[in-house]
Amino acid sequence: DTAVSQTPKYLVTQMGNDKSIKCEQNLGHDTMYWYKQDSKKFLKIMFSYNNKELIINETVPNRFSPKSPDKAHLNLHINSLELGDSAVYFCASSPHLSPNTGELFFGEGSRLTVL
Amino acid sequence: EDQVTQSPEALRLQEGESSSLNCSYTVSGLRGLFWYRQDPGKGPEFLFTLYSAGEEKEKERLKATLTKKESFLHITAPKPEDSATYLCAVQGTYKYIFGTGTRLKVLA
Repeated sequence: DTAVSQTPKYLVTQMGNDKSIKCEQNLGHDTMYWYKQDSKKFLKIMFSYNNKELIINETVPNRFSPKSPDKAHLNLHINSLELGDSAVYFCASSPHLSPNTGELFFGEGSRLTVL
Repeated sequence: EDQVTQSPEALRLQEGESSSLNCSYTVSGLRGLFWYRQDPGKGPEFLFTLYSAGEEKEKERLKATLTKKESFLHITAPKPEDSATYLCAVQGTYKYIFGTGTRLKVLA
């Protein structure tokens, strides 16, 4: 029974397209995140949500729009995809109410390739 | 500026050959240092949290230690299944920053 699950695992698309990644956690955590991992394996935070409310938005282009319909779900929609968006996107959750606090529980990642 | 640096970038060990991975950090107000393990094609998996200098945590063949400037992940008598990328992350007053990891390969 997967704790943090993301779909799809792989995305291959053309420049200019719009795509979405979905994330669900069954851990009962209040805080969820989107991270981007580049080709050098550097993990960088993009967004943090606490109980459906956006808490952190780290200088991410407006083309990226997170949506949290409830505290167990955090989706990421990307408009007008660019080559530089190619990366692995990880969803994570945390049992801590304060963002950027404590241990994180990650999904398996969604590898996005923009051609 | 808050920063986390891990070394070495890559490490190859023979099975049973103990070694240590380093995580050096500069952060405003350390609130926690975290070690994660990441297998290829998977998300990082939480291993340890350390909160203050002098603290140590152990799990099977892994032992994490913390000083005021760095943390070490000691691997004793590693096995091939310990092969993975080990990530260090630091929680400061304002930021939660990951290092770029050490890729460990343990050869049978």
